Amino acid sequence: DGGITQSPKYLFRKEGQNVTLSCEQNLNHDAMYWYRQDPGQGLRLIYYSQIVNDFQKGDIAEGYSVSREKKESFPLTVTSAQKNPTAFYLCASSILAGGRTGELFFGEGSRLTVL
Amino acid sequence: GIQVEQSPPDLILQEGANSTLRCNFSDSVNNLQWFHQNPWGQLINLFYIPSGTKQNGRLSATTVATERYSLLYISSSQTTDSGVYFCAVRLAYNTNAGKSTFGDGTTLTVKP
Repeated sequence: DGGITQSPKYLFRKEGQNVTLSCEQNLNHDAMYWYRQDPGQGLRLIYYSQIVNDFQKGDIAEGYSVSREKKESFPLTVTSAQKNPTAFYLCASSILAGGRTGELFFGEGSRLTVL
Repeated sequence: GIQVEQSPPDLILQEGANSTLRCNFSDSVNNLQWFHQNPWGQLINLFYIPSGTKQNGRLSATTVATERYSLLYISSSQTTDSGVYFCAVRLAYNTNAGKSTFGDGTTLTVKP
């Protein structure tokens, strides 16, 4: 079945460690996104990518890094520079042409807890 | 940037009741989506509705783009409707296609 797969679903890390969250899609979508959600709040955009080997900062990019070496994959690294990394991270994808341009589809999310 | 406001922030209903959720936005948009976030955190696509009216079973949505608001109607609510409902919009003149902004959501609790 087509969809977006995020892993791991739950991740615990010690303060000061870098962690990488995986996001893979088989929808043949051009664009991919990472959002962060804190308890009781909406989603905030971290990074997005419209094409392989290119990506742009969203509203809260500090302390995060991404890569887009393949169309299907958009991993997110939460670095030790991120001051409050404990959060729920959601990956999404969308097409960039056609009648439903920009319509977002989400993975199931990764819940990161920093101890 | 664009501002997205959802109301009410919290809503408690008895099973079988109807409800209306509202999403106001501060600028012209060419993309508006409604999502339901279930208790496990997954975001479920409800509607892609930049303008007009759509219906899907007990749910319907209307977007009046010229007046910068959208409404989500839930009829004959069920306990499984509980969760958080988000509105997400994208600016009409945003050349960075797909960069959507989310509201803070409406938390719906349906009691049996």
